[in-house]
Amino acid sequence: KAGVTQTPRYLIKTRGQQVTLSCSPISGHRSVSWYQQTPGQGLQFLFEYFSETQRNKGNFPGRFSGRQFSNSRSEMNVSTLELGDSALYLCASSLGEGARDEQYFGPGTRLTVT
Amino acid sequence: KQEVTQIPAALSVPEGENLVLNCSFTDSAIYNLQWFRQDPGKGLTSLLLIQSSQREQTSGRLNASLDKSSGRSTLYIAASQPGDSATYLCAVKGSNYQLIWGAGTKLIIKP
Repeated sequence: KAGVTQTPRYLIKTRGQQVTLSCSPISGHRSVSWYQQTPGQGLQFLFEYFSETQRNKGNFPGRFSGRQFSNSRSEMNVSTLELGDSALYLCASSLGEGARDEQYFGPGTRLTVT
Repeated sequence: KQEVTQIPAALSVPEGENLVLNCSFTDSAIYNLQWFRQDPGKGLTSLLLIQSSQREQTSGRLNASLDKSSGRSTLYIAASQPGDSATYLCAVKGSNYQLIWGAGTKLIIKP
């Protein structure tokens, strides 16, 4: 089975721009979660999508949004980029069984905002 | 509010030693706890998942234990190798189904 894939792997953007990141889950997985990892804050949960609906949301501003398509692929969008948005963005897929779920992570997208 | 702590933040040991990494959490109402490994600049590799009803899980040279009542988990690595060098993270899944993460332990195995 192919693992979780994320594209692009690296991105450089300028403050004020917007960016879209993509995540393709493991075949058969219906849940996709997004995380931000920075040296200062560590790993933080952004949101989770299940069956095209946002099921869970972390504590991030509305500039961070996402969506999920019928094939379970997910995109994350960040608008009006700030320097502090520079981070490794990780997505994880799972069956979506809630409590007993195990998450599998992609390689991440490294976003640099200049 | 759930908080996850990992001690030590960094650890350097000679090859061949057995070692223990620690993870503690403040709220015992968890569904499961997962240990991950992260290589520099890379994504996360799941090592072991312990459900709340379980006490331990084993995979090869790795053994993870869970004591919900005391809010602790340990990851035991036997006969360490240079290839084990990485950052090890633990994460707990709480009642809101979100993963709450520790800051990680950076492990260096010296040849």
